[in-house]
Amino acid sequence: EPEVTQTPSHQVTQMGQEVILRCVPISNHLYFYWYRQILGQKVEFLVSFYNNEISEKSEIFDDQFSVERPDGSNFTLKIRSTKLEDSAMYFCASREQSSGNTIYFGEGSWLTVV
Amino acid sequence: KQEVTQIPAALSVPEGENLVLNCSFTDSAIYNLQWFRQDPGKGLTSLLLIQSSQREQTSGRLNASLDKSSGRSTLYIAASQPGDSATYLCAVRLGKLIFGQGTELSVKP
Repeated sequence: EPEVTQTPSHQVTQMGQEVILRCVPISNHLYFYWYRQILGQKVEFLVSFYNNEISEKSEIFDDQFSVERPDGSNFTLKIRSTKLEDSAMYFCASREQSSGNTIYFGEGSWLTVV
Repeated sequence: KQEVTQIPAALSVPEGENLVLNCSFTDSAIYNLQWFRQDPGKGLTSLLLIQSSQREQTSGRLNASLDKSSGRSTLYIAASQPGDSATYLCAVRLGKLIFGQGTELSVKP
């Protein structure tokens, strides 16, 4: 079964450093998402991306964050000047064109900011 | 603002029991509702998707219902097994997914 794949699975970074989390969505999917889950808290929406632009973003997704689809397969989340409170599991997700379709999630990237 | 709540927060049952997990949401304007399974430290596995026009969906031992007008969904698990132990999340979608906090299920052998 096709999968959303994410790398790295775990990253430890120093506060203030920049981090890039990478995702390969399912190949025929057109909508891409990033979510995060702080330990013990709800999964929360960060951003959705369609047709090479952001279609929706949450109040969490401020100027510290950016997303990019650098080629036909990868979808990246960049976090600039990381803070301790950015420590979380970051999930990439994707779905097909139709609004009724299932959203599929990757295994996540654990980010620890020290 | 859409809020999703899941009850109970945790549930422990002996193997073989049938059980029901509850999910409620405050705004009935949704495209659909998904139920997910999350194992500790792992990703989200989609279990069932119910469109807003549907009343229920079934997959194996799982049955999910949706009453959009009352803002409720249930996930029924038949003949529970230790391998069903995980956190179960419901999420409603209008654009983005909005998640509940999950029900942590433990099935004892």
